[in-house]
Amino acid sequence: QKEVEQNSGPLSVPEGAIASLNCTYSDRGSQSFFWYRQYSGKSPELIMSIYSNGDKEDGRFTAQLNKASQYVSLLIRDSQPSDSATYLCAVIPPTGGGNKLTFGTGTQLKVEL
Amino acid sequence: NAGVTQTPKFRILKIGQSMTLQCTQDMNHNYMYWYRQDPGMGLKLIYYSVGAGITDKGEVPNGYNVSRSTTEDFPLRLELAAPSQTSVYFCASSYPPRGEPSYNEQFFGPGTRLTVL
Repeated sequence: QKEVEQNSGPLSVPEGAIASLNCTYSDRGSQSFFWYRQYSGKSPELIMSIYSNGDKEDGRFTAQLNKASQYVSLLIRDSQPSDSATYLCAVIPPTGGGNKLTFGTGTQLKVEL
Repeated sequence: NAGVTQTPKFRILKIGQSMTLQCTQDMNHNYMYWYRQDPGMGLKLIYYSVGAGITDKGEVPNGYNVSRSTTEDFPLRLELAAPSQTSVYFCASSYPPRGEPSYNEQFFGPGTRLTVL
């Protein structure tokens, strides 16, 4: 079983719609969860982090965490063409040190006009 | 601040050649990382360092070496390049973990695209 799993997509949504991206993780003790956005040919950039069950909102982005079900999701409201990118879910597992991230393979989002 | 810088941006190597990928950060971060990203895949950790003089292996260390003599620099050495090392390499840095995940943010460099033929 992969440690962090994401649907590779592409996920296509019309402009102005809500995009919903999901991620599951295998290590129940994981405490820190991140969503990175990566444009084609560019480096990842952090857009959301969450560590408590529930929702965390930042502008058009909402991260949702459910530790009992071991999933974390990212909602993008009022999707814009500029949101078209690959979204990487990352987790810090409980074992080991070094603040190491384990990444999923990413979900490609396409926002269509 | 320049953030995390990487050189070169692109490189083509022949099988068996060696090279060093350079990474420098000016944010005074203790922690630094090297990842590789293959097409359509997520990032896999090669090596990381929690401070000058301290390095440790990540998930995919074979074929690579690192050193950390200063806080700012974390070079990655490829010895005897192989086609399997064709990838995009990202260097990242962060502060040590401090409670909130936002303080654990890793900042990424622009990447080095390496092709081994």
